[in-house]
This record gives sequence, structure tokens and C-alpha cells, in this order.
Amino acid sequence: DAGITQSPRYKITETGRQVTLMCHQTWSHSYMFWYRQDLGHGLRLIYYSAAADITDKGEVPDGYVVSRSKTENFPLTLESATRSQTSVYFCASSPGLAGGEDEQYFGPGTRLTVT
Amino acid sequence: QKEVEQNSGPLSVPEGAIASLNCTYSDRGSQSFFWYRQYSGKSPELIMSIYSNGDKEDGRFTAQLNKASQYVSLLIRDSQPSDSATYLCAARGSGTYKYIFGTGTRLKVLA
Repeated sequence: DAGITQSPRYKITETGRQVTLMCHQTWSHSYMFWYRQDLGHGLRLIYYSAAADITDKGEVPDGYVVSRSKTENFPLTLESATRSQTSVYFCASSPGLAGGEDEQYFGPGTRLTVT
Repeated sequence: QKEVEQNSGPLSVPEGAIASLNCTYSDRGSQSFFWYRQYSGKSPELIMSIYSNGDKEDGRFTAQLNKASQYVSLLIRDSQPSDSATYLCAARGSGTYKYIFGTGTRLKVLA
């Protein structure tokens, strides 16, 4: 049972480049989330998705794009990376209350550095 | 702006003692509350959830919720050095699947 995985685990990119972070879950959870974690700010929600083709903005969506064509995948794209997007990115999933609980489970994270 | 507030610590307790971690939240309509443990360089790991006023126990962990005071706490009994980590409190906003996280309390258990 792989659970929730993220790739790549580490990424260094240059300012202005497009970067896509991948997230895959094997639990068939309805809800998926992207967070960034920075010192002093804690975990901040970027985007979340309630199901395939349903996404919504979180607290800090600017500069990011998401899609969810399949339930198990939720990629996050930085269209034109900026240094302020250097962070650790976590993907999470949850079955939601319809699935019996609303607890979130986190992937291992992607450490992104924008130079 | 809906918020979840935690004391950043560090909270230092001796091995075998009870560690008490606290959290307040601003969204009075929140119904779901969670405690996560995060080791340095790792992802958050769910410890427990709590939905009703009162206490919920799971092994050495007890979560307490007081909705009137908008207060959530986590007690760790018989603290071990392996409990040294940052503990994150989270609340799910009312009528939404947006989760708000506190910035975490760093716990140090001294051997």
C-alpha cells in the first residue's frame, strides 16, 4: 500500500522556469490538497480539489496552477518560478466526510529551490 | 482571516513527564480538529482528530476540545525523547474543506 507519494523529492530550478510537482495517492480519496511550508508561516493551503475536475483556491494560490483529471493524481505547476516560491511543498489527501472521515494524510514532501 | 494559534515553544519537559500543548482557533464554526506531529525534515503525521467537546484518548495521547472557549489541547503522558518534534494543530473551516494550520509548537523531551 503505497499511500501518497510525491515527485520529485528535491528540485532546483531557475527563476522563470515552469516546474510541475507530482502527487499520487492510492487510497481513492476524494479530496487532495497542496500546501507550502515556510519558516514562520507554517503550512499554507495553495489549492485543493474535491474530486476529479473540481478544484478551488486556498490561501496562497497566486503563481500556481493545478489540475485533476484523475482521482489519484493532483499535479501542481509553477508557471514561472520565482525565488519566493522556494519552499517545501506537501501534498495531502482525505476521504472527506462522505468517505467516513475528514482526516488528512500527507505525502513526503518536495523541497523546491528557485535560484 | 481565520487563524489557528499555537505557542512556538520550545516546550521542554523531562522524560516521563506530561507534555501539554495548546491551540486556539478563531473560526467558531469549525467542527473538526487535528493534531499532527512533524519531525525535522519530515512530513506531518496525524496523531489524532477530535470533533466533540471533552477528551479523546489514544494510548499516551489525549486530545481535549472546548468549543465554547475555542481551545484545543494535546496531552502526552510519559513523554519520551522520541516525542521531541513539532506539533501542529489544525482546524477544518466551517462549511469548507479548507484546513487551517497553526505554526506549531516545538517540544523537547529531555532524557
